[in-house]
Parts: sequence; C-alpha cells; structure tokens
Amino acid sequence: DSGVTQTPKHLITATGQRVTLRCSPRSGDLSVYWYQQSLDQGLQFLIQYYNGEERAKGNILERFSAQQFPDLHSELNLSSLELGDSALYFCASSVVDFVTGELFFGEGSRLTVL
Amino acid sequence: GENVEQHPSTLSVQEGDSAVIKCTYSDSASNYFPWYKQELGKRPQLIIDIRSNVGEKKDQRIAVTLNKTAKHFSLHITETQPEDSAVYFCAATYPGAAQKLVFGQGTRLTINP
Repeated sequence: DSGVTQTPKHLITATGQRVTLRCSPRSGDLSVYWYQQSLDQGLQFLIQYYNGEERAKGNILERFSAQQFPDLHSELNLSSLELGDSALYFCASSVVDFVTGELFFGEGSRLTVL
Repeated sequence: GENVEQHPSTLSVQEGDSAVIKCTYSDSASNYFPWYKQELGKRPQLIIDIRSNVGEKKDQRIAVTLNKTAKHFSLHITETQPEDSAVYFCAATYPGAAQKLVFGQGTRLTINP
C-alpha cells in the first residue's frame, strides 16, 4: 500500500458525460500529480499541484481540469468525454517533488467511456 | 521536445539470463532518471533511480547506467527471475519553470522459466 488513495477504482460512463476522479495523497506529501495511461501506453503526465497551487502542466486537454484543496486532496475533472478518454488515471504524490522524494502512485481509477 | 524513447517495447528472456532496457532523453539539462516497475494490474513502483552526477548505480540484481554525453540511460537486470516479469518504465526530468517527469512508453519484460 503506497498510502495514496484514489476513488473510484472503476467508472463506466457514456460519451459526453462528465466525471470526477479523487485522490488523497500520502500523509505529509504536498505534491500531487495526475497521469493518464491508455491501453498498452506509457504514463502521460497531465498536471502537478504543490500545496494547492498548480505547478506544472503536461498534455492535459482543455476538457480536463484539476485542483488541489486545502486538505491537499486533489480532483481531476473530465468533461465532454470521448471514447478515447478511456484509460487508467493514476494519481501520485511526493513530499515536495519527485527529485527530492520518491513518487508514490495510487492504484489508479479505470475509466471506461462507452 | 519533452520526449523519452524507450527500447525495446517487449523483451523475453530465459530465467537466469540478463535483461537490458535502454532509454534516450533529449534535454541535456535533465538531471534525474528513475525506473518504475508495473506488475499486471498494479500501480507503478520505483525500483531504482540515478542522478546526473553519477554514472552507475547498483542495487542487488538491478543496475542503472547513465551516459550524459549520449543522453542514454539503461536498466540492467541480472539473474532474472519469474517475478521480474512486468512492464518497466524509464523516466527523465525536463527542467523548466517547473520540472516535469516524463516517462518512456514502457517495456514489457517476460521471464521464461
């Protein structure tokens, strides 16, 4: 158990819908990262938050947004869903950043868009 | 651009043999190179990492080498065992206003008994 909690574990929805994925980082970790892993694909970096502020942005679509709350949990919002958004979405956390401290991944939220 | 090339995409070796996975990065300012192992249906987990001021690092049967001039780094697994079967991801930091950790596409390693 990495200490990073993601909910829901599985989610099935239809095209055009909107979903919210939730992540609770390890106790004491200030940074939260979101990654997307499509079938047989690598880990695509979406976005990083540090202590409530957006710190780095990757290949995140405009239909996607995220935030980190004062209690440091984070939510990834995916809207106007398309079939291609079906993927495993990982949240990860680190104390400050992945260079000074290890990146710990959650178990992922598997999103299926029908 | 921010890119990490990883090869091969699949690798099959006999138990007891060695396995080598190679990655290439594009930014000479990259300074941190971790390797993650993802077992089927599980989360990625850090297995070893190396920083740009070091050329090689070893941890039991796993070693990583870094060639900064060529912008290459490699994962070496010796005396492979069935439990080494997994997908392995390399990653590199890309400096900027905020560092990003960019992953390679992954290598599916299968150890044949």
